[in-house]
Amino acid sequence: SQQGEEDPQALSIQEGENATMNCSYKTSINNLQWYRQNSGRGLVHLILIRSNEREKHSGRLRVTLDTSKKSSSLLITASRAADTASYFCAVRGRGSTLGRLYFGRGTQLTVWP
Amino acid sequence: DAGITQSPRHKVTETGTPVTLRCHQTENHRYMYWYRQDPGHGLRLIHYSYGVKDTDKGEVSDGYSVSRSKTEDFLLTLESATSSQTSVYFCAISDASGRGDTQYFGPGTRLTVL
Repeated sequence: SQQGEEDPQALSIQEGENATMNCSYKTSINNLQWYRQNSGRGLVHLILIRSNEREKHSGRLRVTLDTSKKSSSLLITASRAADTASYFCAVRGRGSTLGRLYFGRGTQLTVWP
Repeated sequence: DAGITQSPRHKVTETGTPVTLRCHQTENHRYMYWYRQDPGHGLRLIHYSYGVKDTDKGEVSDGYSVSRSKTEDFLLTLESATSSQTSVYFCAISDASGRGDTQYFGPGTRLTVL
C-alpha cells in the first residue's frame, strides 16, 4: 500500500500544549502533505514537504520528514481549541501518476480549553 | 472551499436507484477527483480525471462511473445504488503543476442508501 498511516489515531490535549502527530509510509515518495479536516467539512491543505527537504515551518506548524525511516511528523505548537480537527497525511509516491495522492486514516486531535 | 461546489449536499435514496453527484469548479484546474470517506477507512479514491474526457480508476471504482465533458464539471454516477455506497463523497481539484500537487476539496455530499 502506498498510503500514509497516522499515529496516534486520537490525541487529546489542553490548550497551550504542543500536539505531535506522526505519519509512516512504505514507498519512496516525491512529496508528503498534511491536511486538516474540521467536522463536517472538506479537507484543507496545510503544508507540503518534498523528499529532499527535512523540515518546514508554517506559522505554528512544523513538519519534519525522515526518508530513511519513511516517516513524517506534524507538530502544532501552543495548541488552541480551534485546532480541534482530524489531521491527515497524504503521500505522492515517486513514479506514481502525477496528481495522485494516497491518504491515511487520520489523527483526531481534541484540544480542551 | 476554493471555488468548488458539490451538489446535492445531502441525498437519501433507495437501493437500486441511479444517483449522480456533481462537482463544479471555477479554478480551471486540470485534475479532478472523487473520494469517499468512511469511518476507519480514511479517504479512498474512486475515480479521477486529468483532462476533459480523460478519466481513470482509483482504488474503489467498482459500482461507480464518471464523466467529464467540460473542464469545470466532473460527474460521479452510481448506476444502481447499494447500501455499501452510503458514505460522504468529496470532490477535489488540483493543477498538479511542477510546484506540487496540492488538492483542494469541496464541502462534501452525504449520501444515504436505504
